[in-house]
Amino acid sequence: QVQLLESGGGVVQPGRSLRLSCAASGFSFSSYGMHWVRQAPGKGLEWVATISYDGNNRYYSDSVQGRFTISRDNSKNTLYLQMNSLRAEDTAVYYCAKDHGYTNLDYWGQGTLVTVSS
Amino acid sequence: QTVVTQEPSFSVSPGGTVTLTCGLSSASVSTSYYPSWYQQTPGQAPRSLMFLTNTRSSGVPDRFSGSILGNKAALTITGAQADDESDYYCMLYMGSGIWVFGGGTRLTVL
Repeated sequence: QVQLLESGGGVVQPGRSLRLSCAASGFSFSSYGMHWVRQAPGKGLEWVATISYDGNNRYYSDSVQGRFTISRDNSKNTLYLQMNSLRAEDTAVYYCAKDHGYTNLDYWGQGTLVTVSS
Repeated sequence: QTVVTQEPSFSVSPGGTVTLTCGLSSASVSTSYYPSWYQQTPGQAPRSLMFLTNTRSSGVPDRFSGSILGNKAALTITGAQADDESDYYCMLYMGSGIWVFGGGTRLTVL
């Protein structure tokens, strides 16, 4: 069965960096695009970034463009999100999700909490 | 700034029918936006319900259906059950690799 396991969350000071990981199993990771989606406490879902199956195409929301970098290592079945210049408003649970033909996020991890606070 | 609109809250009686909608602030939603829907209960990860407007995800009961109603995407629950009480989010594809979620609808079954 498909499993997505995020890690790397924690408490970080404003302006610092953090890297999230998402370990994938149960499907052919190198064949699918992947997404990061976040959810601030008590708020709705926000799409953050998408990467194509081969890593050649990457897309970002305006709110993280230039600060966050999505990447993947298909040899390790792992998705990453490098987050730089973190702000208080980046505080959220970060979910990785598997793409289904660029039409749907069909499987989601359980999320990892990032708290940006001094 | 693209805004995807959803009703903040909705209430339905057990066994009743409810239609949640997903609109755009400055355009009509069509199938070209690849509308998809997600269900989330408190403390849990979202779950895919519907994609490509009206295709149910694996394991989703057929009392959930999707459509385009007028200028919005719609998710209809027919014969609502207590465990349908959740937050529902739509997501639209805006082109050029960009996706946008709606603000979500909190559905109460009572």
